[in-house]
Amino acid sequence: TQLLEQSPQFLSIQEGENLTVYCNSSSVFSSLQWYRQEPGEGPVLLVTVVTGGEVKKLKRLTFQFGDARKDSSLHITAAQPGDTGLYLCAGSSNDYKLSFGAGTTVTVRA
Amino acid sequence: DTGVSQNPRHKITKRGQNVTFRCDPISEHNRLYWYRQTLGQGPEFLTYFQNEAQLEKSRLLSDRFSAERPKGSFSTLEIQRTEQGDSAMYLCASSLADPGQGTYEQYFGPGTRLTVT
Repeated sequence: TQLLEQSPQFLSIQEGENLTVYCNSSSVFSSLQWYRQEPGEGPVLLVTVVTGGEVKKLKRLTFQFGDARKDSSLHITAAQPGDTGLYLCAGSSNDYKLSFGAGTTVTVRA
Repeated sequence: DTGVSQNPRHKITKRGQNVTFRCDPISEHNRLYWYRQTLGQGPEFLTYFQNEAQLEKSRLLSDRFSAERPKGSFSTLEIQRTEQGDSAMYLCASSLADPGQGTYEQYFGPGTRLTVT
């Protein structure tokens, strides 16, 4: 059972469209990370958010941490085929153990 | 900085055999973590070390599993008497535990894919 629920499970869009992935929990986290994972590889860290209400932008990616630090979202503007991958959110309520969601598989069609 | 490395990348073994995986963390990182990921799921925490001390083990880590980090650098994860249910991707991550920073970002290796036949 995953502590974090991600939605949607799958997302397929055309190049140039926008997308949003959601990560929800009933638990409060001291920090939350977003990773992207490609088949056969390990997750690659995209961002860490630690403050409720925090918004971080990395080029076309915007990450938001909920005010209550229980949920987060990832928004991609003008998606490109290179954005294709499995997006994982992971929360920590201590300083060592990450609890992951099951992930959202994003496919961007050229 | 070469990142976290793991060997082997793939391992196929027969049920009942023992296997050992190695993880080399980012050189200045004092924490090392092991996770397991099965198809369609996110990684699940198995255990972690701070320097050479193993500080927590998940209930997922049965007594057939043992992890070591003898000199506080690389780590090994051994599975004895493998079962088909052990088939998964085994991921290693490392981080720099710095109380002054307040965050402990974990960087993952490429993983070892284990298939038990």
